[in-house]
Amino acid sequence: DARVTQTPRHKVTEMGQEVTMRCQPILGHNTVFWYRQTMMQGLELLAYFRNRAPLDDSGMPKDRFSAEMPDATLATLKIQPSEPRDSAVYFCASGPDRSSPHFGNGTRLTVT
Amino acid sequence: DQQVKQNSPSLSVQEGRISILNCDYTNSMFDYFLWYKKYPAEGPTFLISISSIKDKNEDGRFTVFLNKSAKHLSLHIVPSQPGDSAVYFCATPSGTYKYIFGTGTRLKVLA
Repeated sequence: DARVTQTPRHKVTEMGQEVTMRCQPILGHNTVFWYRQTMMQGLELLAYFRNRAPLDDSGMPKDRFSAEMPDATLATLKIQPSEPRDSAVYFCASGPDRSSPHFGNGTRLTVT
Repeated sequence: DQQVKQNSPSLSVQEGRISILNCDYTNSMFDYFLWYKKYPAEGPTFLISISSIKDKNEDGRFTVFLNKSAKHLSLHIVPSQPGDSAVYFCATPSGTYKYIFGTGTRLKVLA
């Protein structure tokens, strides 16, 4: 059963450090999403790609967050420098065009 | 500005009874809606969907109702089971490829 793989599952870091989260989308899915789950906002869309091209990253704080797809099997979300308010669960999801996204199990980030 | 709203953060229901989870949306152009279910330490998984050409879609114990005039949808679970305890998100496509989600409702089914 194909699934989206995210690493690491947990990350604890100190404020100011760089954090990189990785995602392997399901083979053949050409749309990739990054979401963040918080208590107040639910699942916030941070960025998404189609055919590896960024379509919209307006949900991300531009000064510290960046998202890339170096190839079709890898998507990355970087935070530099990290801040305590970035603590959340970050989900990657992928899907074929116009179809419901399939989610990974998330990266739980804690910034102290 | 939340375009998809779930105003009840939590809900508790006795096993065997009906669970009703609600979702409101702001844009009358939205024409397709999904419900996802999320267990702790796992990603959300797709549960059921509805197109705006219908007002009801049923899949086993799960039924989604859509009221377009009220811009409201609801998920009914009958009968509720302890394994249904999870966070439920409603979602809709916005634009061509983007999906936006609500804030979620945590359902607890009491045995």
